[in-house]
Amino acid sequence: LAKTTQPISMDSYEGQEVNITCSHNNIATNDYITWYQQFPSQGPRFIIQGYKTKVTNEVASLFIPADRKSSTLSLPRVSLSDTAVYYCLVGGGGFKTIFGAGTRLFVKA
Amino acid sequence: ETGVTQSPTHLIKTRGQQVTLRCSSQSGHNTVSWYQQALGQGPQFIFQYYREEENGRGNFPPRFSGLQFPNYSSELNVNALELDDSALYLCASSRGIEGWSGANVLTFGAGSRLTVL
Repeated sequence: LAKTTQPISMDSYEGQEVNITCSHNNIATNDYITWYQQFPSQGPRFIIQGYKTKVTNEVASLFIPADRKSSTLSLPRVSLSDTAVYYCLVGGGGFKTIFGAGTRLFVKA
Repeated sequence: ETGVTQSPTHLIKTRGQQVTLRCSSQSGHNTVSWYQQALGQGPQFIFQYYREEENGRGNFPPRFSGLQFPNYSSELNVNALELDDSALYLCASSRGIEGWSGANVLTFGAGSRLTVL
């Protein structure tokens, strides 16, 4: 099972771009990279998923280098409501989906 | 489409009791996974059900058991409750494809908060 490593916490200010990098050196060929967001006392919520290069949706971008040993979640122009825990996962649903401790993002006014 | 719903939202039990938590999966999803999340930690995988059978299990003792029903809803049962079982229990559903787990996106419910006294 691919293990992921993320920063424990990050601080930012409203309006800034936030980049959270995740390391996953043992990623397997079939593994996808998925990011979830979690607010207190709620279940995690899917943000974005990718396999290689760059993926963009209405809330974030995901950058994956050619060796796929890391990935970067980019949140453009964060607001106070983006304060949450962000999890990087490698694999898929179910028994191959292992959550780490995540990155606690604090957005300040 | 309906999301994942869990019940009850909160409950209090005493040590040694048994508890059953319920989960209705999102429409179109056939796989259910259960997670335990202690305060300040990431969700810990308990087990997954696919086509009514357990399809993977995390490092949890046998007193954690589950069921999946033909309509893909699921139950998590915990016997002989211990104080350390106090946590948020999360259910997640996904559209599982047999033999492929590369890109399943999990849809989580809001969780059931269990307190064991």
